[in-house]
Amino acid sequence: EDQVTQSPEALRLQEGESSSLNCSYTVSGLRGLFWYRQDPGKGPEFLFTLYSAGEEKEKERLKATLTKKESFLHITAPKPEDSATYLCAVSNFGNEKLTFGTGTRLTIIP
Amino acid sequence: SAVISQKPSRDICQRGTSLTIQCQVDSQVTMMFWYRQQPGQSLTLIATANQGSEATYESGFVIDKFPISRPNLTFSTLTVSNMSPEDSSIYLCSVGGLAGGRPHEQFFGPGTRLTVL
Repeated sequence: EDQVTQSPEALRLQEGESSSLNCSYTVSGLRGLFWYRQDPGKGPEFLFTLYSAGEEKEKERLKATLTKKESFLHITAPKPEDSATYLCAVSNFGNEKLTFGTGTRLTIIP
Repeated sequence: SAVISQKPSRDICQRGTSLTIQCQVDSQVTMMFWYRQQPGQSLTLIATANQGSEATYESGFVIDKFPISRPNLTFSTLTVSNMSPEDSSIYLCSVGGLAGGRPHEQFFGPGTRLTVL
């Protein structure tokens, strides 16, 4: 069974203070690893898909990286509007199902 | 990406009643899914809505409790039947297989927040 573990559960940063969120995974044949952003009361917003170890994707202040066991979401010089819950999910080659982690709740303090 | 809408956005219901949630996409998609997000928790897949055939349910979810329809490539409904307070959750529709996109990438609707009293 696919498993995804995210850490930390919650992270508070000062505006401009860079950090990383971790997503560890176990999957039988990784098709893709996905990062989403979820604001309170809204559906998850798609950010990135990573397919193989060594791959990196960037979007504004966010950069996602992937190894064979984990993914990191690096946030550089964050702003208060980056505050949200960041979700990691994986899918395997057996089906289209996404298995989600429990998320990291990120708060950026002005 | 596509524009995905859900109706209703929220509802408060009495136990023992049923609620049908609609998901509409502005373009044809291959895959449609229904997820549940219980308070403070992450997303759990309920079922895959198959166009023209019965939905495929995940372990722990049954058709009698969560009947699903998908009459075409842009619309699906999820019914939460005989509700109890434990059904209070956010219900999310997602779609995959957008034209021009990768088939396994999923995009989510805004969700339906259900409270059962």
